[in-house]
Amino acid sequence: DAGITQSPRHKVTETGTPVTLRCHQTENHRYMYWYRQDPGHGLRLIHYSYGVKDTDKGEVSDGYSVSRSKTEDFLLTLESATSSQTSVYFCAITGTGRLNEQFFGPGTRLTVL
Amino acid sequence: AQRVTQPEKLLSVFKGAPVELKCNYSYSGSPELFWYVQYSRQRLQLLLRHISRESIKGFTADLNKGETSFHLKKPFAQEEDSAMYYCALKSYNTDKLIFGTGTRLQVFP
Repeated sequence: DAGITQSPRHKVTETGTPVTLRCHQTENHRYMYWYRQDPGHGLRLIHYSYGVKDTDKGEVSDGYSVSRSKTEDFLLTLESATSSQTSVYFCAITGTGRLNEQFFGPGTRLTVL
Repeated sequence: AQRVTQPEKLLSVFKGAPVELKCNYSYSGSPELFWYVQYSRQRLQLLLRHISRESIKGFTADLNKGETSFHLKKPFAQEEDSAMYYCALKSYNTDKLIFGTGTRLQVFP
């Protein structure tokens, strides 16, 4: 599992509440990613990070923010959750080098009521 | 624009039948292509990548630049192959992946 964990694994929240998802890795990799997985859309990149305090937007970043104050942790925050953000969220890491693959976390299932 | 297209949402076959999961891509330059698999209630994992030209669990995929395709094939499907399969594209100078919408493979006994 490449040392990637996500917490919480399941969460139910109400519209308008803030939510923070955590991705933790033990491999000391620089590159980390947050994706959301939705039927009919596959996986879409939300935000990514190339190192501590070095983050950038992905394809579907609206309504999400991230922070990376330590190499091992990459936090995804929904400032004010909406029902459209109900999804399964995956964190991924990749090492340097063009042959290194992305390893995925177990996922967080978020339901916004 | 960089894009990955998987035209089939669902592919159903019987055990022992050949399988081909289609993937087409749009990219100008030298793409790196991957197939990821997600078994029920498990995390995504890499199945194979075109650079390695390997065969994993009996699956192969050949990059066809003329047809901009990277179809996944297996001559004899097994029930344990039932899963969600995603084709993904990585541009040469970044580590970001662009995923297709996925194809669910169902293998019936």
